[in-house]
Amino acid sequence: QSALTQPASVSGSPGQSITISCTGTSSDVGSYNYVSWYQQHPGKAPKLMIYDVTNRPSGVSNRFSGSKSGNTASLTISGLQAEDEADYYCISYTTTTTLWVFGGGTKLTVL
Amino acid sequence: EVQLVESGGGLVQPGGSLRLSCAASRFTFSTYAMNWVRQAPGKGLEWISYISRSSSAIYYADSVKGRFTISRDNAKNSLYLQMNSLRAEDTALYYCARPADGAHFNGGAFDIWGQGTMVTVSS
Repeated sequence: QSALTQPASVSGSPGQSITISCTGTSSDVGSYNYVSWYQQHPGKAPKLMIYDVTNRPSGVSNRFSGSKSGNTASLTISGLQAEDEADYYCISYTTTTTLWVFGGGTKLTVL
Repeated sequence: EVQLVESGGGLVQPGGSLRLSCAASRFTFSTYAMNWVRQAPGKGLEWISYISRSSSAIYYADSVKGRFTISRDNAKNSLYLQMNSLRAEDTALYYCARPADGAHFNGGAFDIWGQGTMVTVSS
């Protein structure tokens, strides 16, 4: 079982907005602004989409945004496009015995 | 183009050993900490190990602690993962990953990934 909880799947139609949640505890998401998000297309390496909760790397569309409230971080994708269909993973710094923990991943389907 | 290329994967019997390598190019390898992340077939990502720039700080996930050893050779621009006492559950695609410039050290933000090398543990 993953340390961070993500919904297994979300879906949306082109042009809509969706939000993927990433729920942790006070040992990780709740206490630190050290959450990143990755996009992974089948057969490809993960791509960094958001870091330090809200920051977008250069080259990442501003349709992607991150936020956090309490023990839950969120990734919002606005203006959904077909190319956004992929798996999305959150990762957080943690004060448990490991350094970082990933969420279990969310499959985004663009209808 | 900044690049990471993993190698050394393959089929190994349970209890066996394997050494993975990650060759870095077109960036100053010695100025970056490095990580290994794995992904079992059809499963999610799992961070497994971190090494600081000078190898002075090393961390492991509980799942591999005591069995895997991360190391690096800055003169050769290379990262390594020595895997011993391999188990079926270690079967995965192993990626090396570089932290993103500008991100906090603790952020788990990796912007450069290799293509991965597959490790299969089976008799």
